[in-house]
Amino acid sequence: NAGVMQNPRHLVRRRGQEARLRCSPMKGHSHVYWYRQLPEEGLKFMVYLQKENIIDESGMPKERFSAEFPKEGPSILRIQQVVRGDSAAYFCASSQGPGQFFGPGTRLTVL
Amino acid sequence: DQQVKQNSPSLSVQEGRISILNCDYTNSMFDYFLWYKKYPAEGPTFLISISSIKDKNEDGRFTVFLNKSAKHLSLHIVPSQPGDSAVYFCAASGLNNNNDMRFGAGTRLTVKP
Repeated sequence: NAGVMQNPRHLVRRRGQEARLRCSPMKGHSHVYWYRQLPEEGLKFMVYLQKENIIDESGMPKERFSAEFPKEGPSILRIQQVVRGDSAAYFCASSQGPGQFFGPGTRLTVL
Repeated sequence: DQQVKQNSPSLSVQEGRISILNCDYTNSMFDYFLWYKKYPAEGPTFLISISSIKDKNEDGRFTVFLNKSAKHLSLHIVPSQPGDSAVYFCAASGLNNNNDMRFGAGTRLTVKP
């Protein structure tokens, strides 16, 4: 039973480019969460999705950021026109009940 | 608005001694609490949890204590081992509202041999 999978593990982008981060939840899990961890800070909630629905996006910046969890395939966190301040580790978690299980994260570096 | 606080950014303990990590929360609606452990370049891994109907949960060397009146929980590791060196995150949510999980900033534990 594979855990939560994220790819790529490392992503380098230049300012103004787009970043796409993928998350495949654990088998049987229909709830997906995205978190961001800035250097020396804790995990900050960004968005909570169920299949084909965004349930709570209160932690996601209103501009440039979007997320989806289609009926088929992984959840995608998309960052358009990246800036240096977007450099962080982005973690995905999934659940089907209490508690969340995390993926290994994607480390985004914006040059 | 930081609803979950870990006021100690770091803790250093000698191998074999007890490590005590603390966490405070402000939202009285939280009724499920978790501790996660995180190594560098890896995602957080679930360690132990407790629901608000209990005040203690034990799993091997790890014990979580919950004081609801003080809105405080702690993680005890005894005996501490060098492999326990990691960042520990406290998290809280509603048992039936998992999407509202909030994390503390983390405490970096270093266990010295």
